[in-house]
Amino acid sequence: QVHLQESGPGLVKASETMSLTCSVSGDSIRSYYWSWIRQPAGKGLEWLGRIYSSGTTDYNPSLKSRINMSVDTSKGHIYLKLTSVSAADTATYYCARYYSGTYFEYWGQGILVTVSS
Amino acid sequence: LLTQSPATLSASPGETATLSCRASQSVSDDLAWYQQKPGQAPRLLIYAASIRATGIPARISGRGSGTEFTLTISGLQSEDFAVYYCQQYNVWPTWTFGQGTKVDFK
Repeated sequence: QVHLQESGPGLVKASETMSLTCSVSGDSIRSYYWSWIRQPAGKGLEWLGRIYSSGTTDYNPSLKSRINMSVDTSKGHIYLKLTSVSAADTATYYCARYYSGTYFEYWGQGILVTVSS
Repeated sequence: LLTQSPATLSASPGETATLSCRASQSVSDDLAWYQQKPGQAPRLLIYAASIRATGIPARISGRGSGTEFTLTISGLQSEDFAVYYCQQYNVWPTWTFGQGTKVDFK
């Protein structure tokens, strides 16, 4: 069974960089697309971007200048960095695995990140 | 853009709930449905508009293609009261979700 676990600081100061890690167990990272999705409290889901195991990325145009995703296949980790954060970036952040780059078949439990002023 | 309706559906256990998802342009049958309960991650229910994911009971069904899609939950059970999202994976450059439909107790 594939298991995804997000980790990182739960509190980040405004204007700083948020860094999250998604740890994957139960299967290899190789040959899959992985994504980060976020959800502000009480609101809907926003797709942030995706990364293939080779490192190829695609980002939501609304975040393209601030977002970076990377992968370490040897560690089974997927990383998210979001620069110049503001209160609007406060949300629960999920990592998820795509089935062939389409729908999201596995999700992590999510991590709440709060941006403080 | 995906538009879900209604925003909230009030129903009683045993009833049938029908949720709608409309796309602003054709997404073929590249549409998935997810269920999300409070404090939990979304769970995949349906993909390719009508195929149930592993472990999803037959009382949950999806249909549609192009721009009009429905998710039907027959014989509502207590565990079905949740928020449901549709998601399209046809139109690039982003994978988009609907705004969600909450199914709550009447």
